[in-house]
Amino acid sequence: AQSVTQLGSHVSVSEGALVLLRCNYSSSVPPYLFWYVQYPNQGLQLLLKYTSAATLVKGINGFEAEFKKSETSFHLTKPSAHMSDAAEYFCAVSDRGNQGGKLIFGQGTELSVKP
Amino acid sequence: GAVVSQHPSWVICKSGTSVKIECRSLDFQATTMFWYRQFPKQSLMLMATSNEGSKATYEQGVEKDKFLINHASLTLSTLTVTSAHPEDSSFYICSARETGGVYGYTFGSGTRLTVV
Repeated sequence: AQSVTQLGSHVSVSEGALVLLRCNYSSSVPPYLFWYVQYPNQGLQLLLKYTSAATLVKGINGFEAEFKKSETSFHLTKPSAHMSDAAEYFCAVSDRGNQGGKLIFGQGTELSVKP
Repeated sequence: GAVVSQHPSWVICKSGTSVKIECRSLDFQATTMFWYRQFPKQSLMLMATSNEGSKATYEQGVEKDKFLINHASLTLSTLTVTSAHPEDSSFYICSARETGGVYGYTFGSGTRLTVV
């Protein structure tokens, strides 16, 4: 079975500081990995996805993530935080269709940005 | 880009009544749709996988007679919460996977259900 673990349910950074949100995955097959952002009472917006092409993936709003197979990690980073980045972030893994392509989510990390 | 429309955005219903939530892919065909439930300050819990023209596959612990899913066309899936009770109050989100797409998942904006 696949799973993802997000380390830290809450991360707080100052505006302009580096954002690092951690995600580790477990998968018996090569995974597809995703990062989503959710604002209050809204659906999820895709930030970026890894589908076995380049290991360094660039997404929207200045976010990027690096797939590290040896560490089973897919951490999300942004060089400089904006106030508008404050939201809930979810890492997710898909089984590439072997089990119907289900998307399994981590527990989520709430990002706060201090002025 | 791919858009998924989910309606209603919020609904309040009386205990014992049924509520239907619609999920439509507006500009692409979705062979597979997924329904999630989210409690406050928690992650998304997959309830079921809906495939066009066939029965939905429910996750363990999800009552299929309580949460009826229909995927009658390549652009529409519905979730009906039958005989709703206050414990069914939650945020429900659908997701559609584009047919033939490179594992792209597009999410609806969610439905806030409150059962009183």
